[in-house]
Amino acid sequence: AQRVTQPEKLLSVFKGAPVELKCNYSYSGSPELFWYVQYSRQRLQLLLRHISRESIKGFTADLNKGETSFHLKKPFAQEEDSAMYYCALSDHTASKLTFGTGTRLQVTL
Amino acid sequence: DTGVSQDPRHKITKRGQNVTFRCDPISEHNRLYWYRQTLGQGPEFLTYFQNEAQLEKSRLLSDRFSAERPKGSFSTLEIQRTEQGDSAMYLCASSTGGKDGYTFGSGTRLTVV
Repeated sequence: AQRVTQPEKLLSVFKGAPVELKCNYSYSGSPELFWYVQYSRQRLQLLLRHISRESIKGFTADLNKGETSFHLKKPFAQEEDSAMYYCALSDHTASKLTFGTGTRLQVTL
Repeated sequence: DTGVSQDPRHKITKRGQNVTFRCDPISEHNRLYWYRQTLGQGPEFLTYFQNEAQLEKSRLLSDRFSAERPKGSFSTLEIQRTEQGDSAMYLCASSTGGKDGYTFGSGTRLTVV
């Protein structure tokens, strides 16, 4: 069975501090991993996916198959990064997504 | 095309009543998904269409739930004999299956009283 675990419900950091949102998964095959973000009063939107290997809004995420992790990182947090972040997994591009429970990132001055 | 539209935004219904939600995907997206999200949880997959064909249904989708996408465009999700446990945000998403991933709608919040 597919499972995504986000151990932190809330992560509070100061502006300018590094951010790491943790995501671990369980899946027997070769999954696709995603990070979705939901800003206040906005709809859920794709932030990045592991196969793109790109940096979006300063965020990066590396798939570590050995540790079955896909942590989201940003070296310097900004106030506008405050949002709900969901890690998600699918078995191929068009398939259903299995989401984690989400982590609320709160960036304070 | 302004993205994925869902109607209504909010629905309050009495237990035992039937409700129907509508989702209009992005026009060129052939895949359409329904998810349910309860407080403190991530979205949970309910069902998925490719064009008009319903390809997968979750065990969460009991016999009281039915979804259609009759012409491969908009979709409806109906819940019959609603129960308080059906109270949730119902999300629709669409995609082409390409690298841009899903586009989500704003959701329909259902409250069963």
